Amino acid sequence: KAGVTQTPRYLIKTRGQQVTLSCSPISGHRSVSWYQQTPGQGLQFLFEYFSETQRNKGNFPGRFSGRQFSNSRSEMNVSTLELGDSALYLCASSFPGTQYFGPGTRLLVL
Amino acid sequence: AQKITQTQPGMFVQEKEAVTLDCTYDTSDQSYGLFWYKQPSSGEMIFLIYQGSYDEQNATEGRYSLNFQKARKSANLVISASQLGDSAMYFCALGSSDFLTGANSKLTFGKGITLSVRP
Repeated sequence: KAGVTQTPRYLIKTRGQQVTLSCSPISGHRSVSWYQQTPGQGLQFLFEYFSETQRNKGNFPGRFSGRQFSNSRSEMNVSTLELGDSALYLCASSFPGTQYFGPGTRLLVL
Repeated sequence: AQKITQTQPGMFVQEKEAVTLDCTYDTSDQSYGLFWYKQPSSGEMIFLIYQGSYDEQNATEGRYSLNFQKARKSANLVISASQLGDSAMYFCALGSSDFLTGANSKLTFGKGITLSVRP
């Protein structure tokens, strides 16, 4: 089985721009979760999508949004980027009781 | 509320020796799962080992074993025969009863421990 894929792997944006990150889960996994990892805050849960519906949400501003498609692929969007949004964004593919991560997207906001 | 505590800021181990990485947790769930992940400098989170709260035996996976002490709420990772490639950040994570049934997919992570293996 192919693993979790994330694109792009690296991204540089400037403040005020928006960005879209993509994640394809493991075949058969219907749940996709997104996490933000920064040196100061560690790993923080952003949100989770299951069967095209947001099922859980972390404590992030509305600038962070996501969606899931019928093939379980998910995208997350960050609008009006701030310097503090620079982070590693990890996508995770889940089946009950298991969670596997993708390689991550490193976002740098200048 | 669920919480994972990893207090060791950084660990050093000599190649071929064993090392224990500490993890304590807090949860009010009766059924839960504990996970360990490895994160090398590339950034990818690699699943290492899982322990269910009702598992009677400690989990083992190759050179990785989990020292699960339920009464003390600890789930320490033991790496035997350390290799240079084991140098990485290690994260302990907690999944709730809802996580185990698939009702949600949120894991609670600790701050992580940096392990450096010396040749």
